[in-house]
Amino acid sequence: AQKVTQAQTEISVVEKEDVTLDCVYETRDTTYYLFWYKQPPSGELVFLIRRNSFDEQNEISGRYSWNFQKSTSSFNFTITASQVVDSAVYFCALSDFDNYGQNFVFGPGTRLSVLP
Amino acid sequence: DSGVTQTPKHLITATGQRVTLRCSPRSGDLSVYWYQQSLDQGLQFLIHYYNGEERAKGNILERFSAQQFPDLHSELNLSSLELGDSALYFCASSAAPSSGGNNEQFFGPGTRLTVL
Repeated sequence: AQKVTQAQTEISVVEKEDVTLDCVYETRDTTYYLFWYKQPPSGELVFLIRRNSFDEQNEISGRYSWNFQKSTSSFNFTITASQVVDSAVYFCALSDFDNYGQNFVFGPGTRLSVLP
Repeated sequence: DSGVTQTPKHLITATGQRVTLRCSPRSGDLSVYWYQQSLDQGLQFLIHYYNGEERAKGNILERFSAQQFPDLHSELNLSSLELGDSALYFCASSAAPSSGGNNEQFFGPGTRLTVL
């Protein structure tokens, strides 16, 4: 069965520190997609990135970077030089397919607090 | 502003009742996704429509149904409501026909449903 684990329930860092949010997934599919979403205190959901299972290149977008490693079934998210505005709950998600169609599973989320 | 609108923002109703949540996607987006976020279950994917057709179904209860109309807006119908249906319901839109497509998802602000 598909599963996404975000072992870190809460993380607190001081502004300007780097922080890595862990995401470990389980799937039997060879074709799947991984996502990260951000939910700031205001409550809206923000899509951050999607990665397909055939693309293991790391991605960098400004202060954000993602490390996808199929060998360890991980898709970790690093924020460099964190800022207070990065405080949010971050969700990792997995989309794959089985005999019944497409599945989409979210992890439980990691609450990041960036302190000034 | 993501360009995705959801109405109403808040809805309070009683057990056993039926409600309809509405979502208007961003202009040009053909895909609409519905998600439920509750304290008990976390974030869950409910259903995905693309250009009027159901594309994927997640953890959507039989008491719930959805549709996407020719003008691409979507409605999520929740019936025989139970206390446990109290949650934040998000919709998202994208231009891609599936979650694996190369287009970003844009989320609406959500509808907070409270069942008393």
